[in-house]
Amino acid sequence: EPEVTQTPSHQVTQMGQEVILRCVPISNHLYFYWYRQILGQKVEFLVSFYNNEISEKSEIFDDQFSVERPDGSNFTLKIRSTKLEDSAMYFCAILGGRTAKNIQYFGAGTRLSVL
Amino acid sequence: EDQVTQSPEALRLQEGESSSLNCSYTVSGLRGLFWYRQDPGKGPEFLFTLYSAGEEKEKERLKATLTKKESFLHITAPKPEDSATYLCAVQAVGLWAGGTSYGKLTFGQGTILTVHP
Repeated sequence: EPEVTQTPSHQVTQMGQEVILRCVPISNHLYFYWYRQILGQKVEFLVSFYNNEISEKSEIFDDQFSVERPDGSNFTLKIRSTKLEDSAMYFCAILGGRTAKNIQYFGAGTRLSVL
Repeated sequence: EDQVTQSPEALRLQEGESSSLNCSYTVSGLRGLFWYRQDPGKGPEFLFTLYSAGEEKEKERLKATLTKKESFLHITAPKPEDSATYLCAVQAVGLWAGGTSYGKLTFGQGTILTVHP
């Protein structure tokens, strides 16, 4: 099972500030996903990223959000101007390798608290 | 729009008391149905994926089954360490970047399982 490391584990920010959440897989992957889970609610899809391009995004993923792969290994989610309702757990996921092509493996998540 | 509904919302069992969790779904075309386990404050941990009606998968005390409208996660003789939230998710058939069908997962709200010793 591939490992996905997310940093930071907990991010506290003031409303209106920019945050960058990071995801580091242990080996090169082409497919990345971001999901979020507001406390007590479902895990929700935000965006998928393939070969350095967005391949699909949800209605939640508006102009305040962006994703990029700055150095070929890290994968980041940026929220430009955070709102109170952005407070949630954010999970990065990657597709499995050759023996698990269609399996999405999740990181431990970043808890974002917007004050 | 793809939808997933899980029941019950919460389930309390005594150690050794077998039961089943239900996942009902509607999807334009099912690519795969996934079961994950989530512990408090952690990310979803993959358990099973099922692709066609009639398929079954087993792992230790867990067995997942699939029909055209729902999936069941059967737990046989559970132990306290099986306590967790169990999530069901569906993936629709489609083509995304690269000509693949590795699309998003649509999750249900989960079933919180508590197993008492």
